[in-house]
Amino acid sequence: QQQVKQSPQSLIVQKGGISIINCAYENTAFDYFPWYQQFPGKGPALLIAIRPDVSEKKEGRFTISFNKSAKQFSLHIMDSQPGDSATYFCAASKSGATNKLIFGTGTLLAVQP
Amino acid sequence: DAGITQSPRHKVTETGTPVTLRCHQTENHRYMYWYRQDPGHGLRLIHYSYGVKDTDKGEVSDGYSVSRSKTEDFLLTLESATSSQTSVYFCAISESTRTSGSSSYNEQFFGPGTRLTVL
Repeated sequence: QQQVKQSPQSLIVQKGGISIINCAYENTAFDYFPWYQQFPGKGPALLIAIRPDVSEKKEGRFTISFNKSAKQFSLHIMDSQPGDSATYFCAASKSGATNKLIFGTGTLLAVQP
Repeated sequence: DAGITQSPRHKVTETGTPVTLRCHQTENHRYMYWYRQDPGHGLRLIHYSYGVKDTDKGEVSDGYSVSRSKTEDFLLTLESATSSQTSVYFCAISESTRTSGSSSYNEQFFGPGTRLTVL
């Protein structure tokens, strides 16, 4: 059972456009929602994360929007650049000693010049 | 990659042979994790460790075992490799849980990965 559902599976955006990736979760006990960015041949790297006590978090061109009632969160990449081309994973966890992460299935983003 | 190395980086083996993957960290972080990454499945947790000799199962632990005899090393063993275990394996580490208000969170840092092919 997929606890974190991610869409779309792939996304093509023109340079300067907005990339939007969506995730939905089922477990209402989740209270930490990170996004990871992965380039080919590399391990995932934390991009930005949000807690459910805020509805939005922005870091540079990257913004997370969070809708607790809908159990959804999304990543927005403003002014998308070819260097943003990568695979993006959303994840979720619940607070506790080990904070195990449950990952979405990933979105392959291609930003065309 | 936050002081995390994985070895080997690539391995090809045959069905039925034992395989051990090593994760080494220089960050002295308490928590270590093994994930596998497969198309259409994202990253799935195999096993994790919350201290020396303290380990527990993740969501896809069947066919895998782990050991952690030192803080810096976390080994993943496939006792008898099968073709379904062909995957890219990532190790991750996490520092002590951070606390914000009444909740605690950790940030996981990933190694470069090991590509394993079981023929």
